Amino acid sequence: AQKITQTQPGMFVQEKEAVTLDCTYDTSDQSYGLFWYKQPSSGEMIFLIYQGSYDEQNATEGRYSLNFQKARKSANLVISASQLGDSAMYFCAMRSPYNNNDMRFGAGTRLTVKP
Amino acid sequence: DSGVTQTPKHLITATGQRVTLRCSPRSGDLSVYWYQQSLDQGLQFLIQYYNGEERAKGNILERFSAQQFPDLHSELNLSSLELGDSALYFCASSVAPGENEKLFFGSGTQLSVL
Repeated sequence: AQKITQTQPGMFVQEKEAVTLDCTYDTSDQSYGLFWYKQPSSGEMIFLIYQGSYDEQNATEGRYSLNFQKARKSANLVISASQLGDSAMYFCAMRSPYNNNDMRFGAGTRLTVKP
Repeated sequence: DSGVTQTPKHLITATGQRVTLRCSPRSGDLSVYWYQQSLDQGLQFLIQYYNGEERAKGNILERFSAQQFPDLHSELNLSSLELGDSALYFCASSVAPGENEKLFFGSGTQLSVL
């Protein structure tokens, strides 16, 4: 079965520090895509970063990077230099042919940035 | 602005009623997805359409139905509403249903069933 696991319901980080949000996934597909989305309190879903299963380098987008460890089936999000505006829910997601390439989401991690 | 438009933003109705949620995808996107987000169930995939055809179903109840029209907009119909149907309903779109395609989400419809 395809499953996305985010084991941290809530995380705290001090402003300007880095934080890692964990994500593990389970799939038997060789080709799949991994995504992170941010959902602030306003409710919209904002795309942050994408990693393809065949990408050899970790994806980076500004202050966001994805620590992709394929053998361990993990795709952790690293946010560097945290800002107060980073306080939000963060969702890890996967698309794979097993699920008709539907995007399936983990339960999310609520990140709070402390001043 | 993601380019995905959902209406209405808020909907308050009573148990047993029927409502229709509307979604216009980003220009050029052929795939439309519906999700339900509730506190206890998280983000649940409901259904996917591609170029007017249903492509996949997720955890969609039989009381719920959807369609994608020739102009690619989509509607989600919820009938015989129950208290537990109260949730935030998202529509999302992508160019195609590939595993490397990111989804663009609308701002959601907050449904309250009283």
